Amino acid sequence: NAGVMQNPRHLVRRRGQEARLRCSPMKGHSHVYWYRQLPEEGLKFMVYLQKENIIDESGMPKERFSAEFPKEGPSILRIQQVVRGDSAAYFCASSPRSGGNRETQYFGPGTRLLVL
Amino acid sequence: DQQVKQNSPSLSVQEGRISILNCDYTNSMFDYFLWYKKYPAEGPTFLISISSIKDKNEDGRFTVFLNKSAKHLSLHIVPSQPGDSAVYFCAASALSTGNQFYFGTGTSLTVIP
Repeated sequence: NAGVMQNPRHLVRRRGQEARLRCSPMKGHSHVYWYRQLPEEGLKFMVYLQKENIIDESGMPKERFSAEFPKEGPSILRIQQVVRGDSAAYFCASSPRSGGNRETQYFGPGTRLLVL
Repeated sequence: DQQVKQNSPSLSVQEGRISILNCDYTNSMFDYFLWYKKYPAEGPTFLISISSIKDKNEDGRFTVFLNKSAKHLSLHIVPSQPGDSAVYFCAASALSTGNQFYFGTGTSLTVIP
């Protein structure tokens, strides 16, 4: 499967626990984006990363959320001390290069996080 | 602050007829627009895009129209097929906002056989 891969597909956490969401971009893609979709809403941009660099994190909450895209391995979105409001679908997308805003982003299947 | 709006949450169309999905935006700096299709429990799949230098882009049964003065775009599917039943999201981006896409809230299309 050459598509964007995300795991786990479903994640259940209790309030106060940590959630780690992983994303492997398409082969040959070096740009990763994370989006969050709350119920009944569209996808909201969170963060844009290249290998070992955070390029734009303007959509990420300032506290409890962090993202990385190491030289080796998948991109990780980490949510510390989860709260019920963090329950959402988290989608990762990748693109092959940065053509500015014209580069089509290809999405993974998403991770559905449920906070009890 | 919803900069991209899809005011119809749902649409039902008979198989073989035309489906028209609409999208409005408020940011005049947007210069690239995309439509994504999403099935339940899957990620959005890229469908078609259009840049602001064009007013129409066609790909098979799918055509996107852009009216910059009205800040409006639409997706036409002709003829509609049952497999087209999905949620359709429009998205927009601007050079000034880098690689960030702004998504609408989606329109759920049901094509009735």
